[in-house]
Formats: sequence, C-alpha cells, structure tokens
Amino acid sequence: AQKITQTQPGMFVQEKEAVTLDCTYDTSDPSYGLFWYKQPSSGEMIFLIYQGSYDQQNATEGRYSLNFQKARKSANLVISASQLGDSAMYFCAMSHPIRNEKLTFGTGTRLTIIP
Amino acid sequence: DARVTQTPRHKVTEMGQEVTMRCQPILGHNTVFWYRQTMMQGLELLAYFRNRAPLDDSGMPKDRFSAEMPDATLATLKIQPSEPRDSAVYFCASGLLAGGPTDTQYFGPGTRLTVL
Repeated sequence: AQKITQTQPGMFVQEKEAVTLDCTYDTSDPSYGLFWYKQPSSGEMIFLIYQGSYDQQNATEGRYSLNFQKARKSANLVISASQLGDSAMYFCAMSHPIRNEKLTFGTGTRLTIIP
Repeated sequence: DARVTQTPRHKVTEMGQEVTMRCQPILGHNTVFWYRQTMMQGLELLAYFRNRAPLDDSGMPKDRFSAEMPDATLATLKIQPSEPRDSAVYFCASGLLAGGPTDTQYFGPGTRLTVL
C-alpha cells in the first residue's frame, strides 16, 4: 500500500529565509507522480508543483522547487526567499500506481513565517 | 483565471436533514473528484467521475452519501440523512486527466459542513 509521510507537524521560519518541507513516500510501483499543495487559512487547496517518477530533473515553479531523491524516496519542497504569505498548511501527495488520478495525501506541515 | 466553484461555502444543519453540495468544475476538465477533510482523517477521496461517469466511490458511505454529475458543468454530493460525524470540509477538484501519474487536480474552495 502507498504511504506518504510528513514528519514535521509545524515549522517556524524567519521571513526571507529558505524553507525545506520534508516528504517521504513508500511505493513499489515504478511509475508515480508526486505533488505539493498549499492550504492557507482561507481553506482552499492550491496546487504548487509536481514531479514525475521518471523525470530526470527536479521540478521548479517560481520560488518552489521539489528536491526529488528517488533512491531515498523523498520529495521535499523547497521554498526560496520565504514571504509572510507562505504561512499555510502544506500537503504532499502521491498518485495511485494503477488509478493514477487517485491521490494519497500526507498529514501536512503547518508553516509559519515570522516577520 | 479558471477556477472550481463550490456552493454553499458554509452549511450548518441539524442531524437528520438532507444536505446537497454543488460543484462547478473548470470548463473542459474531464474528471471531477469529491474529497472530505477532517482533523482526524485528513484528506480522503470520497468519489470521482470521468466524463460524467462514476469511476470510484469506494471511499463514500453508501447508505447516506450519493454523488452525481447531471451534466458536465455540475457535480453534486448529497448526504441524507446527515449526522454529526459528517461535519467536515468537503472539497471538489477537477482536472483534464489522461490517467497518467502526473495528472494535476485543481481544488475548489470547499464547503464547510457542520451538523448539529
């Protein structure tokens, strides 16, 4: 069975510093996708970035990058130059090996940016 | 800026009442999902549709929950009768999905349901 683990329930980071949010996963399937979503206090889920298991390069989207280490089964989210608006819950998710459209979510990390 | 819309955003009801939540997926998206988020269980997939046909509703309590897509622009999730344990935030998500591992889902703002 698939599993996503986010071991950091909460993090406090100084504004403008870089942040790394940890995510490890467990799957025996060679083909999968990894996703990060942001959930601010308003409650909506905002898609940030994805990484395919066969992608050779780490995904990047603006200030977000995904540090994909396949052998370690980790997919950490890196936010560069953090801003106050980055304060939110962050969820890591993985696609199902057969029904790729089904996502398994981690428990999330609450990030607080300190001015 | 295309977005998934959900109504109502908040709903307070009494136990035993029927609740209907609505979702308008992003135009052109072929797959629609219903999720439930609680503190205890996190995000759970309840059901989803591809081209309006139900693909999987294994996450949904069948006795009281039902999900439909009467047309391509509307998905509904109904609870009848509602119970206090149904209190949660219900998200709709949609995507133009080909069934590959990197298909991306886009979420609506959610409906916060409170059953008293």
